[in-house]
Amino acid sequence: QVTLRESGPALVKPTQALTLTCTFSGFSLTTPGMCVTWIRQPPGKALEWLARIDWDDDKSYNTSLKTRLTISKDTSKNQVVLTMTNVDPVDTATYYCARSPYSSSWYHFDYWGQGTLVTVSS
Amino acid sequence: QSVVTQPPSASGTPGQTVTISCSGSISNIGSNYVSWYHQLPGTAPKLLIYRNSQRPSGVPDRFSGSKSGTSASLAISGLRSEDEADYYCAAWDDRLSGGVFGGGTKLTVL
Repeated sequence: QVTLRESGPALVKPTQALTLTCTFSGFSLTTPGMCVTWIRQPPGKALEWLARIDWDDDKSYNTSLKTRLTISKDTSKNQVVLTMTNVDPVDTATYYCARSPYSSSWYHFDYWGQGTLVTVSS
Repeated sequence: QSVVTQPPSASGTPGQTVTISCSGSISNIGSNYVSWYHQLPGTAPKLLIYRNSQRPSGVPDRFSGSKSGTSASLAISGLRSEDEADYYCAAWDDRLSGGVFGGGTKLTVL
C-alpha cells in the first residue's frame, strides 16, 4: 500500500525559510523510473508544480521559483525534503507531495499525500 | 497564467456527456503524454487518466481521455452528481524542464 504524508510548520513568517518533509511508504525511491514531486495549491486557486527528485538524484525545479527551492531525498528514511527560502504571503498554500512514475515522455502523479496547509504571515 | 489552458467552468445534467479541453504547446502536450486529475473540495487531487487515455484501476470507464496535437480532452459520460469537482490536466514541459498544470475546470452537475 502506497502512502505519502507531508509534514512541516503550519505558520511561517515572511522572509523565513520553509522546510517540508514528505514521508512515504509502499515504494522505493531507488527504483528506476520513480520520482517524488512537490505541488502546491493556494487557497481557491489552481495546482502549481514546484519540484521533483528522481530515483537517481536528478532534480528539476519550477523555473519561476528555482532560486528559492531545494529538493533532496533520504532513501534510508523514505523521505523527500523541500526547502523554500525567503517566503512571502503569496506562498500561502496547501503543499502536496506525490509519487510520480516517469519515462522520457510520460510523467504523472499516481499517489498523493493529504497535503499540509502553510500560512505565511507575520 | 498557466502555459496549459483549460476552460474555467463546465456543466451538464445527470446522464449527459461533458468534455473538458486542455490546450498547450509543442513543448508540453505536443511532445509528452497528458494526465488528468479530479479534486473534491478539501481533498487531495486524484489521478483519473494517465498516458493520455489510460485509466488506473478503480476509475470507471465513464471517464475517457484523448489527445490530438497540442490539445487533450477528458470526456465524462453518464454524468453523476458526484462528478461535481475540479478537474486538472498536466504534462511535462520540455522547454521549461518541469511539470505544468492546466488552470483547472470546475464541473457543475445541474
